[in-house]
Amino acid sequence: GQNIDQPTEMTATEGAIVQINCTYQTSGFNGLFWYQQHAGEAPTFLSYNVLDGLEEKGRFSSFLSRSKGYSYLLLKELQMKDSASYLCAVMDSNYQLIWGAGTKLIIKP
Amino acid sequence: IAGITQAPTSQILAAGRRMTLRCTQDMRHNAMYWYRQDLGLGLRLIHYSNTAGTTGKGEVPDGYSVSRANTDDFPLTLASAVPSQTSVYFCASSDSAGGNEQFFGPGTRLTVL
Repeated sequence: GQNIDQPTEMTATEGAIVQINCTYQTSGFNGLFWYQQHAGEAPTFLSYNVLDGLEEKGRFSSFLSRSKGYSYLLLKELQMKDSASYLCAVMDSNYQLIWGAGTKLIIKP
Repeated sequence: IAGITQAPTSQILAAGRRMTLRCTQDMRHNAMYWYRQDLGLGLRLIHYSNTAGTTGKGEVPDGYSVSRANTDDFPLTLASAVPSQTSVYFCASSDSAGGNEQFFGPGTRLTVL
């Protein structure tokens, strides 16, 4: 079966750095996505990795290792507005997204 | 309008009733999707459409139907609602079916009693 695993909840301090991990087992691989979802709102796109390595975009970076079935999202200089759920999703061989349950990130002052 | 709109925002429905959730996008995207999101679970794909005139079944299609008569609209119909269909429903679209980010509508919160 297909499976995406990520921690249910994480807590971090404003101004700090946090790493959210995602491991996956899917039928084929056509890229890995990270989305941010604030409570009561729609998911919004953060990043896309299809090749191994690190993609940096401002305060957010995403890393992929296809051989390990592993990705992480790194958030730097945390702000209170970063409190949200972070969703990991893998595009399988049928070009359908398989979603993890999401990691709820709580930022404390 | 800009992006994707969904209607209604929320709805309480009696079991056995028929309901259509509406979704419209103005980005001329070819691909559209319907997901449901339940607490503790990831988004699950119900149905999708890679281009106008075609539809396909996702992970959890039973009890739902869709149509794609044109590029902009992708309605989701529950023929006879059951309580297990209580969920938040998101419509999404992407420029094409593969490897592109999906843009999400604001969601419809549906409660079936």
